[in-house]
Amino acid sequence: EPEVTQTPSHQVTQMGQEVILRCVPISNHLYFYWYRQILGQKVEFLVSFYNNEISEKSEIFDDQFSVERPDGSNFTLKIRSTKLEDSAMYFCASSEPADRGDSQPQHFGDGTRLSIL
Amino acid sequence: AQKITQTQPGMFVQEKEAVTLDCTYDTSDPSYGLFWYKQPSSGEMIFLIYQGSYDQQNATEGRYSLNFQKARKSANLVISASQLGDSAMYFCAMKRSGGYQKVTFGTGTKLQVIP
Repeated sequence: EPEVTQTPSHQVTQMGQEVILRCVPISNHLYFYWYRQILGQKVEFLVSFYNNEISEKSEIFDDQFSVERPDGSNFTLKIRSTKLEDSAMYFCASSEPADRGDSQPQHFGDGTRLSIL
Repeated sequence: AQKITQTQPGMFVQEKEAVTLDCTYDTSDPSYGLFWYKQPSSGEMIFLIYQGSYDQQNATEGRYSLNFQKARKSANLVISASQLGDSAMYFCAMKRSGGYQKVTFGTGTKLQVIP
């Protein structure tokens, strides 16, 4: 079964450094997302991306964050200058085109655990 | 705005028994989808089951079924014949209909299956 893949599985970074989290969505999916989950808390939406532009972003997704689809397969999340509070599990997700159903499920990758020191 | 409420922070169930995980939601959207995800201790997020707001029948996927009561705005997950591997965190979630709508998650219920 096709799946969303994320790399790396664990990233340790010094505060203030830039970090790039990578994702390969499922190949026929057109909608891409990033979520984060601070340890012990619920999953929070960061950003959605469609047709090479951001569709929606949350208040968490400030100027320190950016997303990019640099080629036909990868989808990246960049944090420019990391802070201690950015430590979390970051999930990439993708979903099928909307015309396949009224609300297609989002399929999540296994996550990248980001630890800021 | 959408809101998901899971009032059971933790649940225990005996192996081979059925268990119901509660979920209520609030939305003003006329069309939406409801989902359940499983998160084992290893951290990944596994999609389990989906219910569309206009679906007449309750969704089922193997041992998982979704007890959808639209008037009560509830979408409880029923796991039949619990297995030790079902021990995990379970999240109820929803999104508006439409391709790129965000998913809103509940706070989760930690299920532990006892041998």
